[in-house]
Amino acid sequence: DAKTTQPNSMESNEEEPVHLPCNHSTISGTDYIHWYRQLPSQGPEYVIHGLTSNVNNRMASLAIAEDRKSSTLILHRATLRDAAVYYCILRTPLNTPLVFGKGTRLSVIA
Amino acid sequence: GAGVSQSPRYKVTKRGQDVALRCDPISGHVSLYWYRQALGQGPEFLTYFNYEAQQDKSGLPNDRFSAERPEGSISTLTIQRTEQRDSAMYRCASSPPGGNQPQHFGDGTRLSIL
Repeated sequence: DAKTTQPNSMESNEEEPVHLPCNHSTISGTDYIHWYRQLPSQGPEYVIHGLTSNVNNRMASLAIAEDRKSSTLILHRATLRDAAVYYCILRTPLNTPLVFGKGTRLSVIA
Repeated sequence: GAGVSQSPRYKVTKRGQDVALRCDPISGHVSLYWYRQALGQGPEFLTYFNYEAQQDKSGLPNDRFSAERPEGSISTLTIQRTEQRDSAMYRCASSPPGGNQPQHFGDGTRLSIL
């Protein structure tokens, strides 16, 4: 699986937007970009995924660079509940296992 | 509806004992995955099934680890002759049929080997 690179940690103020970056310069044409998050003491939780176009859902937005070598997960208004480790994962369309890196630990300050 | 259910939530056992960890996936989910997570690390893949067929067991650390899903629903991960290094959180996930399906994770089993 292609590798992703994320900052180890980020900090945000409550109710501010948060942009979580992910680099994936070796992404292949069939790789989808998936984001999961893991809240403290819980299992990972699916957030969003996309291929080329930007995607929005109730949890977040995903902005994908035109060359697909990077992407950004956008939380529009961070809440204390959003404090978690966020994982950016490349995955083929087949339901193969997820390959987790170290992710970005997001802290939200009240 | 009910999510992925794992049991037991906690298991403490002595080194050398065998343990069996159970995963009950979401109804209708055909794919089932086992991961292991050490403290402060992301989950690490162990094995997965489509229906009852084990598709990939390349992540199992050694032959003390095995998994089965005989009827394509509940799965059991078995660790024989446990060692202290087996202590970790063991997580199960399931996903419905179709491509690009999100995985739904259970709360995990915290295994501690004394």
